[in-house]
Amino acid sequence: DSGVTQTPKHLITATGQRVTLRCSPRSGDLSVYWYQQSLDQGLQFLIQYYNGEERAKGNILERFSAQQFPDLHSELNLSSLELGDSALYFCASSVVGGGANEQFFGPGTRLTVL
Amino acid sequence: GQNIDQPTEMTATEGAIVQINCTYQTSGFNGLFWYQQHAGEAPTFLSYNVLDGLEEKGRFSSFLSRSKGYSYLLLKELQMKDSASYLCAVSPQTGANNLFFGTGTRLTVIP
Repeated sequence: DSGVTQTPKHLITATGQRVTLRCSPRSGDLSVYWYQQSLDQGLQFLIQYYNGEERAKGNILERFSAQQFPDLHSELNLSSLELGDSALYFCASSVVGGGANEQFFGPGTRLTVL
Repeated sequence: GQNIDQPTEMTATEGAIVQINCTYQTSGFNGLFWYQQHAGEAPTFLSYNVLDGLEEKGRFSSFLSRSKGYSYLLLKELQMKDSASYLCAVSPQTGANNLFFGTGTRLTVIP
């Protein structure tokens, strides 16, 4: 158990819908990262927040947005869902936001878009 | 741009040694990580290299050559539970800590 929690564990929805994935980082970690893992691709970095501020952005679609709240939990919002958005979405956390340091991954949310 | 290459699959025998190679080309370099991921589970951290050379941690060792853009993960005394995907990742950006991952190497350990 990494100490990072994600809810829900599974999510099944239809095309065109909107969903929210939630992540709570390890106690003491200020930085949160979101990754997408599809069957045919590796882990793709989406976005990083550090202490409430956006720190880095990857290939995150405009239909996706995220935020980190004052209590440091984070939410990833996915809208106008398409079949290709079906994937495992991982949240990770680390103590600091800069300099390479170990990230701890949550168990993931499996999103299925029908 | 960023590019990381790893073999897609490898098979090795229980008790043996296996080396998983990784080559990378990234716009920046702030360290290289190896993660282990069992199917359907979260990646777990194995090792980190930022300077050239070998880092040893129990049965696992990782090597880095920055001038060659090359790393390898060495697993000794293979056990059945080592069957998993091994992900090579580079931290390309200073001031942030996002990771760029390769597609991973699926290792199967056979008796």
